[in-house]
Amino acid sequence: EAEVAQSPRYKITEKSQAVAFWCDPISGHATLYWYRQILGQGPELLVQFQDESVVDDSQLPKDRFSAERLKGVDSTLKIQPAELGDSAMYLCASSLGLAVYNEQFFGPGTRLTVL
Amino acid sequence: AQSVTQLGSHVSVSEGALVLLRCNYSSSVPPYLFWYVQYPNQGLQLLLKYTTGATLVKGINGFEAEFKKSETSFHLTKPSAHMSDAAEYFCAVRKLAGGTSYGKLTFGQGTILTVHP
Repeated sequence: EAEVAQSPRYKITEKSQAVAFWCDPISGHATLYWYRQILGQGPELLVQFQDESVVDDSQLPKDRFSAERLKGVDSTLKIQPAELGDSAMYLCASSLGLAVYNEQFFGPGTRLTVL
Repeated sequence: AQSVTQLGSHVSVSEGALVLLRCNYSSSVPPYLFWYVQYPNQGLQLLLKYTTGATLVKGINGFEAEFKKSETSFHLTKPSAHMSDAAEYFCAVRKLAGGTSYGKLTFGQGTILTVHP
């Protein structure tokens, strides 16, 4: 069964360091999402891609976060520099397309701890 | 603006008992509604969704939810809890962005379900 892959699964870093997360969506899925889930809360959308284009990055803290999907397939989310408040689970999801009825399939997530 | 409220951050039931997880939404137009389940250190899995049509929606693992427009609710139920149902459950809404066929998925705070033997 096709799945969304994410790596690493766990990342521990010190504040002010740079970190990067990778996501490989289900083959054929044009839409890719990055979410941040703070402990005890629901996921919050950070950025949404349609193929290689950003559709919505209104909640992405652009002073320190960046995301790219250069070839419209896999994607990287970067934080530089990391802050204590960035400790969270970072979830990647993909769907066939943007339309609201398309199910979003989630990866296992990357748990980030910033010390 | 749209928001989702899940009543009760923790729900505890006995195995075999009814499961009821509450979700209310606020939206100026009927949104698309979803329930997701998340097991520890895993991603989210879709349980069921309401788009249009029948207001009683059946999902996986014996769960179902009923869309009640008059009450702006979408509560999740299961007649008989199983130990394997212990997890965190998220209600989510998605409203079409103006002039488009898509919109952002907004999640509630989550409800942790504990099942006792």
